[in-house]
Amino acid sequence: AQSVTQLGSHVSVSEGALVLLRCNYSSSVPPYLFWYVQYPNQGLQLLLKYTSAATLVKGINGFEAEFKKSETSFHLTKPSAHMSDAAEYFCAVSLLGSSASKIIFGSGTRLSIRP
Amino acid sequence: ETGVTQSPTHLIKTRGQQVTLRCSSQSGHNTVSWYQQALGQGPQFIFQYYREEENGRGNFPPRFSGLQFPNYSSELNVNALELDDSALYLCASSFGSGGGDTQYFGPGTRLTVL
Repeated sequence: AQSVTQLGSHVSVSEGALVLLRCNYSSSVPPYLFWYVQYPNQGLQLLLKYTSAATLVKGINGFEAEFKKSETSFHLTKPSAHMSDAAEYFCAVSLLGSSASKIIFGSGTRLSIRP
Repeated sequence: ETGVTQSPTHLIKTRGQQVTLRCSSQSGHNTVSWYQQALGQGPQFIFQYYREEENGRGNFPPRFSGLQFPNYSSELNVNALELDDSALYLCASSFGSGGGDTQYFGPGTRLTVL
């Protein structure tokens, strides 16, 4: 069965610092991988999606993630944090070729930005 | 282009009651998925509808049921509400039901069961 583990329920960085949110996945078949962001009292917004076309995926708002099969990881990074990046971030997995696009979400990482 | 919308925004019910939540898909999308997000947790897949048929279900009891209409809007019905049903319910639409199809989420309905 597929699953996602997000390391660190809360990450705090200074404005302008590197953001690194960690995600490891478990899947017996090639997965699709996603990062979603959720601002307070809002739904989920897709940041980026890995579909096997390229291991380095660029998303919106300056975020990117690298798929590393050997490490079963899909960590999210941003070179310079902005105050507006404060939110909850979810890593998620879905299965290649599955008949239903069921997405399995991690438990989330809350990102705080210090002035 | 209109995004995914959900109604109502907030809802308060008492234990044992029934509730219906509504979702309008993004224009051109034929697939709707529903998720339950308990406080402090990631969303959990409830079920998916593709062209008006249930097309996959998560680990939720039968008192969670749904419908998809010809215009691809959808309802989530929950019978015999329990306190643990208190959560944010998210609807997501996509064009296609495959594993890689991008799902676009609505703002959610916050359900409180007293």
